[in-house]
Amino acid sequence: AQTVTQSQPEMSVQEAETVTLSCTYDTSESDYYLFWYKQPPSRQMILVIRQEAYKQQNATENRFSVNFQKAAKSFSLKISDSQLGDAAMYFCAYRPTDYGGATNKLIFGTGTLLAVQP
Amino acid sequence: AAGVIQSPRHLIKEKRETATLKCYPIPRHDTVYWYQQGPGQDPQFLISFYEKMQSDKGSIPDRFSAQQFSDYHSELNMSSLELGDSALYFCASSLGGQGGKLFFGSGTQLSVL
Repeated sequence: AQTVTQSQPEMSVQEAETVTLSCTYDTSESDYYLFWYKQPPSRQMILVIRQEAYKQQNATENRFSVNFQKAAKSFSLKISDSQLGDAAMYFCAYRPTDYGGATNKLIFGTGTLLAVQP
Repeated sequence: AAGVIQSPRHLIKEKRETATLKCYPIPRHDTVYWYQQGPGQDPQFLISFYEKMQSDKGSIPDRFSAQQFSDYHSELNMSSLELGDSALYFCASSLGGQGGKLFFGSGTQLSVL
């Protein structure tokens, strides 16, 4: 069974600084998706960034980028120029490739609570 | 753009009562997922439906049931509620071929007193 591990329960960063959140996963599949979701105090689940496993290039979305190491099964999130609004719980998640709805649920890690200090 | 709609946003019930949560997926999405997130926990997968048929089942108690209707909306029925059922319940939808993205609703906060 696939598993997702986030070893950092809490992290803290100064405003305008850079922080990296770690995530490892375990799967026997070769093709899959990886995601980072942000959950602010409102508890809305917001997609931050997505990586397709067959793509070697690391995904980037503005100040958010990932370091995807497929062989090591590692998928870290880097937040540059941190802002107060980045404070939230961040979940790493894994999902098998679309197979017409069967067994392609999203599997979450336990989350990393990020605090941003002014 | 249309998003996933969940109702109600908040629900307060007594122990042993019944609750029904509703989810309206994004139009033309073919798969609906239900997740339960307890306080300070990660979301746990409950059940999913693909084209109105149950496609996967997770840690859903026998007291809970769900279905997807002909208009693709889904309902999660919870009976004999327990204090431990207090949680945020998310619905998400997806469409095959859209790069794996799940789109989440805002959730229903269920409080069992």
